[in-house]
Amino acid sequence: EIVLTQSPATLSLSPGERATLSCRASQNVDNYLAWYQQKPGQAPRLLIYDASYRATGIPGRFSGSGSGTDFTLTISSLEPEDFALYYCQQRKNRQTFGQGTKLEIK
Amino acid sequence: EAQLVESGGGLVQPGGSLRLSCAASGFAFSDCSMNWVRQTPGKRLEWISYINSRSDTIFYADSVKGRFTISRDNAKNSLYLQMNSLRDEDTAFYYCARGLEWGDGYFDYWGQGTLVSVSS
Repeated sequence: EIVLTQSPATLSLSPGERATLSCRASQNVDNYLAWYQQKPGQAPRLLIYDASYRATGIPGRFSGSGSGTDFTLTISSLEPEDFALYYCQQRKNRQTFGQGTKLEIK
Repeated sequence: EAQLVESGGGLVQPGGSLRLSCAASGFAFSDCSMNWVRQTPGKRLEWISYINSRSDTIFYADSVKGRFTISRDNAKNSLYLQMNSLRDEDTAFYYCARGLEWGDGYFDYWGQGTLVSVSS
């Protein structure tokens, strides 16, 4: 099983700041990596797929990068609605998720 | 707009069974692969099963293989998950999720989830 490790567990920032979230895979997943956002009481929402492609309707402040084992989700300028849980997920070998990063207001 | 609505969750004793349903609308259900994904009380996400549009390709996570069965009825725009021999560790919110058309293995639409609690 491919294990995804996200860091940090919690990220405390202010609106307008830049957020950088990391996801490391235990083995090569090529670019088969997605990012999801989850708000309290809601289902996850697909943000990024294949490491760097924004899903339909996702604002341009969200971007993804990386390949192989190291990936990054960047939010260029945080909006109040961006504070949430974020998960990475791979589809190289079945599907597994990271444990999540909580993005909280500082 | 695509919509997925799960039902059938509830409280069940260990060893018991439940059948979850997912009603789809707003998209061509018969053309799409579908999945079940669960989220534990600790917020961990786990993909548990996949079925393609024709029901001729099915996968399960090792944690549920032999106990859970995924199926679909394209005429009824519905997805199902039959869960047998339930264990405490199966307690979770269960989501049905559509496979992304150009990236099968990602999930672009999710239902609101249905809670399954396994406890004596």
